[in-house]
Amino acid sequence: SQELEQSPQSLIVQEGKNLTINCTSSKTLYGLYWYKQKYGEGLIFLMMLQKGGEEKSHEKITAKLDEKKQQSSLHITASQPSHAGIYLCGADEETSGSRLTFGEGTQLTVNP
Amino acid sequence: DVKVTQSSRYLVKRTGEKVFLECVQDMDHENMFWYRQDPGLGLRLIYFSYDVKMKEKGDIPEGYSVSREKKERFSLILESASTNQTSMYLCASRVPGWKTQYFGPGTRLLVL
Repeated sequence: SQELEQSPQSLIVQEGKNLTINCTSSKTLYGLYWYKQKYGEGLIFLMMLQKGGEEKSHEKITAKLDEKKQQSSLHITASQPSHAGIYLCGADEETSGSRLTFGEGTQLTVNP
Repeated sequence: DVKVTQSSRYLVKRTGEKVFLECVQDMDHENMFWYRQDPGLGLRLIYFSYDVKMKEKGDIPEGYSVSREKKERFSLILESASTNQTSMYLCASRVPGWKTQYFGPGTRLLVL
């Protein structure tokens, strides 16, 4: 089955700094999803990437999928305390299009 | 907006009790999922359902069962709760294909 490795596991940054979270797969990614989770709550969908080289942005968050479709990155520009939380990547398992495999998550702390 | 609701946010049960966790979605999604989330282990799939009365084991089905009698409702059952089932339980639903899963707010279960 597919495995997703996220790095770093945790990140502490000063407000205003840029940061990047990576998600690497052992297999080709057919659909890659980024979610954000606040402590003790459910996951909120951020973005989905499907094509090699694809890049999407929402406000100050940009997600990219590499050309080989095995690695994705999430970049936050000028971080704010509201960006704090756990970021998880999820991927469709091969061509099933139904169940997702998730990375372990990256805990982001933004200090004011 | 898609809404996924879970019957309880917090639950405290005793070892050996039968526990029911309910999940309801309002968008007529065919697929529904139950995960548990533990520190250091990420999200792990317990069971999922492709449609009414259909179910598939996920990665950690032992000690759990599920029921899907109606399309909008997916129940997770702990037949005899044990302390190692103390966890955060997350329900999700999805339209089949390359679409995101939508998550409920989670149920934090403590088994004493």
